[in-house]
Amino acid sequence: NAGVTQTPKFRVLKTGQSMTLLCAQDMNHEYMYWYRQDPGMGLRLIHYSVGEGTTAKGEVPDGYNVSRLKKQNFLLGLESAAPSQTSVYFCASSLDKLDTQYFGPGTRLTVL
Amino acid sequence: QQPVQSPQAVILREGEDAVINCSSSKALYSVHWYRQKHGEAPVFLMILLKGGEQKGHDKISASFNEKKQQSSLYLTASQLSYSGTYFCGVRTSSNTGKLIFGQGTTLQVKP
Repeated sequence: NAGVTQTPKFRVLKTGQSMTLLCAQDMNHEYMYWYRQDPGMGLRLIHYSVGEGTTAKGEVPDGYNVSRLKKQNFLLGLESAAPSQTSVYFCASSLDKLDTQYFGPGTRLTVL
Repeated sequence: QQPVQSPQAVILREGEDAVINCSSSKALYSVHWYRQKHGEAPVFLMILLKGGEQKGHDKISASFNEKKQQSSLYLTASQLSYSGTYFCGVRTSSNTGKLIFGQGTTLQVKP
């Protein structure tokens, strides 16, 4: 039982490049979330999903897109990376809306 | 709106107690507490639901005052392993699982 996994662990991009972060969970959770964490800012919700095929915007969605084609996977895309998107990205999942959220190990992204 | 945590940072000696507070300007349905060590993912500590209940395990407990829209985390007889950054995440709607996190409180326990 791996829990929540994220790929890749580290990535360096140049401004304007695109990339996709992959989150996978093996707990059969309905809800999945993408957060970014910046120093002194805590965790801010980018997008989330309440089930396969659904997505919704969080607090800071601009510049990001997501897809949930399979229940176990939640993808976060950056179409044209900007230095302001340099951050640590965490994925989380929960069984339902009342349940606690379980976090993946994070992806450290640097945009030059 | 982001809940406010206080204090921002605290330094303790082993065996001392600490309280971390989390205040919201909105009505709360639940409060979730997490601890994060440097370079690692946040780890769930406990969840408090509406009703003013207090929860705890081992020497860490928490309370939830829904009227004041506040929660407090109590760390008793702190251990070195308690060091890290503590976050509260609050749910302000009954229709969503979205959590809004505070900015974090850094706790350092020294021998």
